[in-house]
Amino acid sequence: QSVLTQPPSVSAAPGQKVTISCSGSSSNIGNNYVSWYQQLPGTAPKLLIYDNNKRPSGIPDRFSGSKSGTSATLGITGLQTGDEADYYCGTWDSSLSVEMVFGGGTKLTVL
Amino acid sequence: EVQVVDSGGGLVQPGGSLRLSCAASGFIFSNYWMSWVRQAPGKGLEWVANIKHDGSEKYYVGSVKGRFSISRDNAKNSLYLQMNSLRAEDTAVYYCARSLARRFDYWGQGSLVIVSS
Repeated sequence: QSVLTQPPSVSAAPGQKVTISCSGSSSNIGNNYVSWYQQLPGTAPKLLIYDNNKRPSGIPDRFSGSKSGTSATLGITGLQTGDEADYYCGTWDSSLSVEMVFGGGTKLTVL
Repeated sequence: EVQVVDSGGGLVQPGGSLRLSCAASGFIFSNYWMSWVRQAPGKGLEWVANIKHDGSEKYYVGSVKGRFSISRDNAKNSLYLQMNSLRAEDTAVYYCARSLARRFDYWGQGSLVIVSS
């Protein structure tokens, strides 16, 4: 059971928009930056969003991030079949000791 | 080009040991924290351990404390994970990742560790 809560799956049609939520608490999301990772099938995770809403070089602006209180959201617009992947949120948790925690992951299906 | 390449995975019996390695290139290795993250088959990501750029601080997830040890050799641009007293639940793909300001910005391709008799 993950410290951060994500929906197991989301789906949308090509060209549409989808959002993926990530819910935590004051010991993690509430007081730390959130990052998002994309894991295409059979590959290593890739950094998609950091510091809640910043995109690394090379990540298209179709991907966006936001945070409010103890929740964060990943948004993807103009969906493409190549966006089908697992998406994970991550942040640091200071409840017991300083540890990095991830959400359980959300499988995005582009119908 | 930044690269991190994992190696050292394999099949090991319960209670056994294994050492993972990670070779880094394309950046000044000694300037960065480094981490290990694992993913059990069909499951999500789990942070395992990280180490400060000079090796002076190390942190572990609770389930591996006392059994796993993270280390680095900055002269060789290499990161290691010594895994002892392995259990079936340690079976996973282990990723080496560069840590920057509490995010993982570059990941290795992963090394599969299978703990089974």
